[in-house]
Amino acid sequence: SAVISQKPSRDICQRGTSLTIQCQVDSQVTMMFWYRQQPGQSLTLIATANQGSEATYESGFVIDKFPISRPNLTFSTLTVSNMSPEDSSIYLCSAGWVGNEQYFGPGTRLTVT
Amino acid sequence: AQKITQTQPGMFVQEKEAVTLDCTYDTSDPSYGLFWYKQPSSGEMIFLIYQGSYDQQNATEGRYSLNFQKARKSANLVISASQLGDSAMYFCAMREGRDNFNKFYFGSGTKLNVKP
Repeated sequence: SAVISQKPSRDICQRGTSLTIQCQVDSQVTMMFWYRQQPGQSLTLIATANQGSEATYESGFVIDKFPISRPNLTFSTLTVSNMSPEDSSIYLCSAGWVGNEQYFGPGTRLTVT
Repeated sequence: AQKITQTQPGMFVQEKEAVTLDCTYDTSDPSYGLFWYKQPSSGEMIFLIYQGSYDQQNATEGRYSLNFQKARKSANLVISASQLGDSAMYFCAMREGRDNFNKFYFGSGTKLNVKP
């Protein structure tokens, strides 16, 4: 199976600051996805990141709050900006390969105080 | 309407017994894929099994099998011979279309507890 890594695995941040989460995959993929999972909830897609173009955001998520970079086919970052306690969640990146496999990174557990 | 519905917030099963986790879906796209993921308390999402809408046979992966009933739009996960390590959240998900670029819709999840 594919390997997806994320950094940091967890962080505790102050309100009003920003955190950048990195996602690295071990093979080239066209699309990468960023999800948020609030405590006790299911996964919600934040945006889809295609290499070489701007990310596509889902309803309720905006680029100013969650800027995404996708500089190459194996890497992406998600920044959570101007954080508030409501941003406390697990953030997961995901990627799909040829065929039907879709894998997730181990997640970044963010707590905002 | 919800794309994916999981009606069991929590389930208990005795170790070594089989358990079925329910999932129904809603789509008008004739081509779609159905996925099950396991999420232990560590938070990672572990891919378990996949079923394509055109697959004739139910998918199986070790102790996991997917009971796919297309006319009823259900894709239940069956775990045979439950183990203590199976205790986790389980999410059903759907991807519409043939592209693996398309986004996923997730259900609300079922928390499975395996009792010794």
